[in-house]
Amino acid sequence: NAGVTQTPKFQVLKTGQSMTLQCAQDMNHNSMYWYRQDPGMGLRLIYYSASEGTTDKGEVPNGYNVSRLNKREFSLRLESAAPSQTSVYFCASSEGAQPQHFGDGTRLSIL
Amino acid sequence: AQSVSQHNHHVILSEAASLELGCNYSYGGTVNLFWYVQYPGQHLQLLLKYFSGDPLVKGIKGFEAEFIKSKFSFNLRKPSVQWSDTAEYFCAVANSGGYQKVTFGTGTKLQVIP
Repeated sequence: NAGVTQTPKFQVLKTGQSMTLQCAQDMNHNSMYWYRQDPGMGLRLIYYSASEGTTDKGEVPNGYNVSRLNKREFSLRLESAAPSQTSVYFCASSEGAQPQHFGDGTRLSIL
Repeated sequence: AQSVSQHNHHVILSEAASLELGCNYSYGGTVNLFWYVQYPGQHLQLLLKYFSGDPLVKGIKGFEAEFIKSKFSFNLRKPSVQWSDTAEYFCAVANSGGYQKVTFGTGTKLQVIP
């Protein structure tokens, strides 16, 4: 019973490098989300996808791109990583319009 | 824009003590309200939610929350906490019209001492 699976769990990057965070859910949910969690800031929505093929910006989309190629997968890409993007990233999915099932998170450090 | 304020950043209680975590929101329209919990080393889980109807909402593990519209509040309560309730608790709000964007509070870390 996997739920929401995120890869990788940890990553260290150098400033300017690019990488893609992967997220997959096996619950046939329409909605998927990417959040970042920073100390004292709570969770902030980066992007969300209400359904396959659609994506929308959240609170803090700058510096990120997303791709929802199919119903199951929703990836988050950092084109040119910056130290300010050091954070814990959570993917989530839901049947409705609020996140219900979260992944275990990706701890990303950018040097 | 909607926002959420959680008053306590860190709460320490002894087992069997009663718990109340404060949450206030600001939004001019009709809202849906949520509490999420994140146990140490685990991902977030939905604890309870309010959409409409009875303002006293009961969730999992004996938690409940009361929506007081006049006070813009949605406080989380539990009559008697256990050591296993040690976690971080997040209040969240979403506008109820159309597709919802959920805004999270900054979280309250609860530490329960055996």
